[in-house]
Amino acid sequence: NAGVTQTPKFRVLKTGQSMTLLCAQDMNHEYMYWYRQDPGMGLRLIHYSVGEGTTAKGEVPDGYNVSRLKKQNFLLGLESAAPSQTSVYFCASRNRQEEETQYFGPGTRLLVL
Amino acid sequence: DQQVKQNSPSLSVQEGRISILNCDYTNSMFDYFLWYKKYPAEGPTFLISISSIKDKNEDGRFTVFLNKSAKHLSLHIVPSQPGDSAVYFCAASATGGTSYGKLTFGQGTILTVHP
Repeated sequence: NAGVTQTPKFRVLKTGQSMTLLCAQDMNHEYMYWYRQDPGMGLRLIHYSVGEGTTAKGEVPDGYNVSRLKKQNFLLGLESAAPSQTSVYFCASRNRQEEETQYFGPGTRLLVL
Repeated sequence: DQQVKQNSPSLSVQEGRISILNCDYTNSMFDYFLWYKKYPAEGPTFLISISSIKDKNEDGRFTVFLNKSAKHLSLHIVPSQPGDSAVYFCAASATGGTSYGKLTFGQGTILTVHP
């Protein structure tokens, strides 16, 4: 039982390049979330999904797109990376029936030059 | 507009003493609160939570207190241990309806416990 995994762990991009961050969970959770963590700002919600095929915007969605084609996977895409998207990205998942506890992956560190 | 605030960026405590981490919130719709602990290069891990129908929840060395009228919660760690050194995030949720478990996080407090 791996919990929540994220790939890659670290990536360097040039401005304008695109990439996809992958989140996978093996807990059969319905809800999944993408956050970014920046110094002094805590974690901010980018997008979330309440089930396969559904996604919704969070607090800071601009510049990102997401897809949830399979229940266990939640993809975060950057179509044209900007230096402001340099951050640490965390994925989380949660069982719909449980309390509010979310389970987090180890994070992806992204540097955009 | 920071709806959840942790006004102390850092806290330093001696091993064996009490650590008190504070959190304030402004949104009256928040009714569930959580504390997460984060080590460097790892994801946040759930520590303890409290529903707004309670004013205290205890789990071993960790106790969370909620003061709804003041919109304030605190995490007490007694006794503090060097392994508790980490970043602690306070988070809040407005349960029910279409909240879908979305959490609003504070900025985090770096706790350092000295041997």
